[in-house]
This record gives sequence, structure tokens and C-alpha cells, in this order.
Amino acid sequence: GIQVEQSPPDLILQEGANSTLRCNFSDSVNNLQWFHQNPWGQLINLFYIPSGTKQNGRLSATTVATERYSLLYISSSQTTDSGVYFCADDRGYNKLIFGAGTRLAVHP
Amino acid sequence: EAQVTQNPRYLITVTGKKLTVTCSQNMNHEYMSWYRQDPGLGLRQIYYSMNVEVTDKGDVPEGYKVSRKEKRNFPLILESPSPNQTSLYFCASGTGGHTGELFFGEGSRLTVL
Repeated sequence: GIQVEQSPPDLILQEGANSTLRCNFSDSVNNLQWFHQNPWGQLINLFYIPSGTKQNGRLSATTVATERYSLLYISSSQTTDSGVYFCADDRGYNKLIFGAGTRLAVHP
Repeated sequence: EAQVTQNPRYLITVTGKKLTVTCSQNMNHEYMSWYRQDPGLGLRQIYYSMNVEVTDKGDVPEGYKVSRKEKRNFPLILESPSPNQTSLYFCASGTGGHTGELFFGEGSRLTVL
């Protein structure tokens, strides 16, 4: 089956710093999504981005489907950005294949 | 507000005591599914439903049952819970197939003693 690799696995930032998270796929990308799992365990939709670039406030994402990767940019990070970031691709029937996640800690 | 609602959010139970985790969505989505999240194993699909009265197994269906009698509801049933079903459970809904975004509920943290 498809393999999803996320990097880096862990990231520690000082508040205000920028960062880039990466997601690589072993197969073609169908319906890529980025999620943030906050410290309370909730999964928050960040982007639905099968291709192209989208921005939402301090966050933006780019998917290059032909090269099987996606990037999530976080600018001017805040402590509330802490948590785990997942990318996932829909393989049909609501079946998302998730990466292992990037655990982000933003310190004041 | 568009949302997926799960209940209960937290539950501690004992082995063998039947329980149901409810899930309801107000987005008129055809597709609904259940996932469990475990340390080191990530999120794995338990069951999914393509429409009313249509359900099928995901990757880890053992020990679970589901039903889809109404479009908005997709309960997860643990007939005889065991400690290895201690997990964080998520319900999700979406437009389905290869066409759309998936939305998750807030999660239900279940502990089976």
C-alpha cells in the first residue's frame, strides 16, 4: 500500500519562528489533507489540498502531486500551534492513509 | 455550524460490558467512517459506510459493529469490550469517493479495564 513519510518527526520552535513540514508519498496523491491534532486530542482540518497552494492566515500549504509531496508552512509560530501535524491522503471510501505526524512544540 | 458530534467524549468501562459510541453529522454527507488512534500505530479505519444501510469493514474491524439506519448517524458498537480496545476513537464524514474532504469529530477516549 501507499507509504506516507512526514518530516521532521519532532520540531521545537521559539515563538515567532517559521517552519516547514514535509509529507512524501510513495504513490500518486489523490485528496491530500493536512490536520492539526491539538493537545486535547482533537483533529482539526487545516487544508484540503490535492494540488496547488492555499493559505489561511499564518498557515499555507503546497502540494506538488506530480512529485508526490506536500509542504505545510507555519509562519510566526505561536504556542497555540503546538501539537501534532498529520498529512493524509484519501484512498477511497473515506479511507485516509495518515503519516506518522510531526510533533511541534512552540515555546514562549 | 457544520460538525461531527461524538458521544461520549470520555468513558471508562469494564471488560464485557456492551457500549455504544454515537456519531452524528449535520452536513448531509453520504460517507461516514470510524477510526481508532493508538500510540505508534497512528490512525486506522475500523468501518465505513457509503450510504444508509451500506457498511463495510476497514482495516481493523474485529470486535466492532456498526449500523447506518439514518444518513446522519453512524454508531460504533462494542458488544464485548476488551482491554485491547482501549483507544482514542474518531468518527468522520465526507462527500466520499475520490472527491472530497473528510471531517472528524472531537474524539472519544475509551478505557476498558
